[in-house]
Amino acid sequence: NAGVTQTPKFQVLKTGQSMTLQCAQDMNHEYMSWYRQDPGMGLRLIHYSVGAGITDQGEVPNGYNVSRSTTEDFPLRLLSAAPSQTSVYFCASSHSTGGVGQPQHFGDGTRLSIL
Amino acid sequence: AQSVSQHNHHVILSEAASLELGCNYSYGGTVNLFWYVQYPGQHLQLLLKYFSGDPLVKGIKGFEAEFIKSKFSFNLRKPSVQWSDTAEYFCAVNGDTGFQKLVFGTGTRLLVSP
Repeated sequence: NAGVTQTPKFQVLKTGQSMTLQCAQDMNHEYMSWYRQDPGMGLRLIHYSVGAGITDQGEVPNGYNVSRSTTEDFPLRLLSAAPSQTSVYFCASSHSTGGVGQPQHFGDGTRLSIL
Repeated sequence: AQSVSQHNHHVILSEAASLELGCNYSYGGTVNLFWYVQYPGQHLQLLLKYFSGDPLVKGIKGFEAEFIKSKFSFNLRKPSVQWSDTAEYFCAVNGDTGFQKLVFGTGTRLLVSP
């Protein structure tokens, strides 16, 4: 059981480049989310998905796209990287059963720098 | 909208000192409350959670938290900290919205000196 796996762990991009951050989970979790972590701001929700084929925006969705074609995978796409997107990105997943209080399982994060 | 406040941004303690980290939330309905810990270079891990019932919740590694509904608070405590507790601690809340839409506080960095 690998849990939540994020790749890559580190990435440096130039302004304007695009890239995809990968996230996969092997726990058959229905819910998956992407957060960004910035100093002094905690974690902020970018996008989330309640199941395959269903996605929605979080608190800070601008500049990012997601899709959920399978239960396991939830990639995050940066369309045209900007320095303001320099951050650490965390993917998380959880079950939907048992109500809204299921704890989330986090990946190890992707540290992204935009030059 | 939900919000979470962690007023202590940085805390420095000596080993064996007692710890209390403050967390206040803003939400009018039923809430689920969490404390997560992030050790240096690692991902977030769940310390403890409150859904309902006994407002005093015990978590891993000797941590506990008390939900005080009248004060909208969920403070984290540990009677005697260890050097290995050096980490960043996040309080999080989600309301009865039907989704795991966690709202996090800004975090508290704890440094425990040996």
